[in-house]
Amino acid sequence: GNSVTQMEGPVTLSEEAFLTINCTYTATGYPSLFWYVQYPGEGLQLLLKATKADDKGSNKGFEATYRKETTSFHLEKGSVQVSDSAVYFCALSVLSGDSSYKLIFGSGTRLLVRP
Amino acid sequence: DTGVSQDPRHKITKRGQNVTFRCDPISEHNRLYWYRQTLGQGPEFLTYFQNEAQLEKSRLLSDRFSAERPKGSFSTLEIQRTEQGDSAMYLCASSFMTSGRDEQYFGPGTRLTVT
Repeated sequence: GNSVTQMEGPVTLSEEAFLTINCTYTATGYPSLFWYVQYPGEGLQLLLKATKADDKGSNKGFEATYRKETTSFHLEKGSVQVSDSAVYFCALSVLSGDSSYKLIFGSGTRLLVRP
Repeated sequence: DTGVSQDPRHKITKRGQNVTFRCDPISEHNRLYWYRQTLGQGPEFLTYFQNEAQLEKSRLLSDRFSAERPKGSFSTLEIQRTEQGDSAMYLCASSFMTSGRDEQYFGPGTRLTVT
């Protein structure tokens, strides 16, 4: 079946530190991979995506590379800010059933950045 | 268009009561998904519509749950005879297929508390 595993949190960093949040997946077919971010009290926002092997998604200083050989999509940022404090979800989608591309999410990783 | 909207944002109800949530997708999006998110977990897929047709339902969607999307516009999710285990955030997402890929945009969610 399809599943996503991401590192447990919380991850606590000082401002300007380097961030890595690990994500690995299991999928049938050829999934697209996503990182979503959820700020307190808000819905999910798409942070970045990659649709095929070796693609790199990037946005707002965050990056993730689709690694088919290791079935991974780790999220990185070179220098985090306090405003990056949020919960980050790794997700995959693959065509299933009648044209559905439902998302399969990991359990989320809470990031807390201290000034 | 300001994105996906959901109403109400919060709902408190007593066990055994019926509740209905509404989702208004981005106007040009023909695909609509419902997810449920419990505390500390990632969202889980409930059901999927393409236009007005409900094409996929999760096993999580018991007989007490029903969803509709009349005329392929807004969607409603109704829960009958609510139970405490139904307490969760209910998320709606809409999308439009481009280049063979599906990118989902989420609403802010409806938080349901069953007392």
